[in-house]
Amino acid sequence: LAKTTQPISMDSYEGQEVNITCSHNNIATNDYITWYQQFPSQGPRFIIQGYKTKVTNEVASLFIPADRKSSTLSLPRVSLSDTAVYYCLVEAGTALIFGKGTTLSVSS
Amino acid sequence: DAGVTQSPTHLIKTRGQQVTLRCSPKSGHDTVSWYQQALGQGPQFIFQYYEEEERQRGNFPDRFSGHQFPNYSSELNVNALLLGDSALYLCASRRRLGMADTQYFGPGTRLTVL
Repeated sequence: LAKTTQPISMDSYEGQEVNITCSHNNIATNDYITWYQQFPSQGPRFIIQGYKTKVTNEVASLFIPADRKSSTLSLPRVSLSDTAVYYCLVEAGTALIFGKGTTLSVSS
Repeated sequence: DAGVTQSPTHLIKTRGQQVTLRCSPKSGHDTVSWYQQALGQGPQFIFQYYEEEERQRGNFPDRFSGHQFPNYSSELNVNALLLGDSALYLCASRRRLGMADTQYFGPGTRLTVL
């Protein structure tokens, strides 16, 4: 079973900020939180990874509260090309356990 | 720097046949994992190889086997193919077993079993 819970789908419009929240109540001390993006018939693409507080890179930000029981992926100013499935995982360097992910649909 | 590469891109087999899929990890990576992704589902972990040994295995039957070579490349073998084995097979690599280092995925091999 996946260790995380996230919304099945979300809708947005171009130019908006999108926040996808993931719940991981049973996260272990040595687990990291990792987000992947996947387009149809392609392999998942790494977006961002964090352990605590806030992490930012050129494509997204990841917010992790002190208790680490949840995390929020923030995508600034989405475009049509951000339409994809987004997976939240908690991992410690072993097998990745994927859930069904969040299907983000961006419209113009 | 080439990322993770997989071959072939697509494959069509019939029930009962055997198939071998290949993966070359990203440069500098020594740990390879295989995943099966059925349509509309998230990837499911098959097994992971490090130092030419299977280190961890998911809930897949013995029909699924693998190998890792000294150059860190890997093969996934599936025997006695079933219709339900039709899926996208993904290979992923990372730098070192046990570290939460970024895991990179290849483009996948689409296997169709008729």
